[in-house]
Amino acid sequence: DIVMTQSPDSLAVSLGERATINCKSSQSVSYSSKNYLAWYQQKPGQPPKLLLYWASTRESGVPDRFSGSGSGTDFTLTISSLQAEDVAVYYCQQYYSTLTWTFGQGTKVEIK
Amino acid sequence: QVQLQESGPGLVKPSQTLSLTCTVSGGSISSGSYYWSWIRQPAGKGLEWIGRIYTSGTTSGTTNYNSSLKSRVTISVDTSKNQFSLKVSSVTAADTAVYYCARTPIVHDYAGPMDVWGKGTTVTVSS
Repeated sequence: DIVMTQSPDSLAVSLGERATINCKSSQSVSYSSKNYLAWYQQKPGQPPKLLLYWASTRESGVPDRFSGSGSGTDFTLTISSLQAEDVAVYYCQQYYSTLTWTFGQGTKVEIK
Repeated sequence: QVQLQESGPGLVKPSQTLSLTCTVSGGSISSGSYYWSWIRQPAGKGLEWIGRIYTSGTTSGTTNYNSSLKSRVTISVDTSKNQFSLKVSSVTAADTAVYYCARTPIVHDYAGPMDVWGKGTTVTVSS
């Protein structure tokens, strides 16, 4: 199975500052110019919400302060200017494998 | 728009079988190309993908499971009720979690992300 490892496990960022979360896969999740990597946001008591897919495509309605980059085995989620409502746990997920899908362990984002 | 709703017993005894259903509303479970998944999350922990089922065309009913759970998990579909289901056998306290169902669109034969999620249902394994 493809193992997804996020870093850091948690981070505290001041309002208006940049937050960066990394996600590394144990093997490439890219093929033919497509990156099979999604990012989800989960707030307490809620289901995960899809933020980005194909590593960098924002889901409809997601603010443009959320952006994604990367390819192969290394990916990044960036929140350009942290807002209070962005406090949440963020997960990456690979959907490259034709057999099994896996999530990263999650990164908790808090306000400093 | 499509909505998903999980349902099932909130309490299951150890060694018994956990059974949950996900009801799809706002669209047909067998139209279009989608995978339908189950995911779980123990309290305070991360997300674990359990498995998925494909419900369209000649390969309808095809399933894939997390290798760590494969021996105990079965996912099935009832298209007449627009539902898909999860069974986990021989449960222990480690199976206590919030269980979510989710949809994945398939575009040009490629799976995408899980774009629609149910609200989740809590299952506790305890005697």
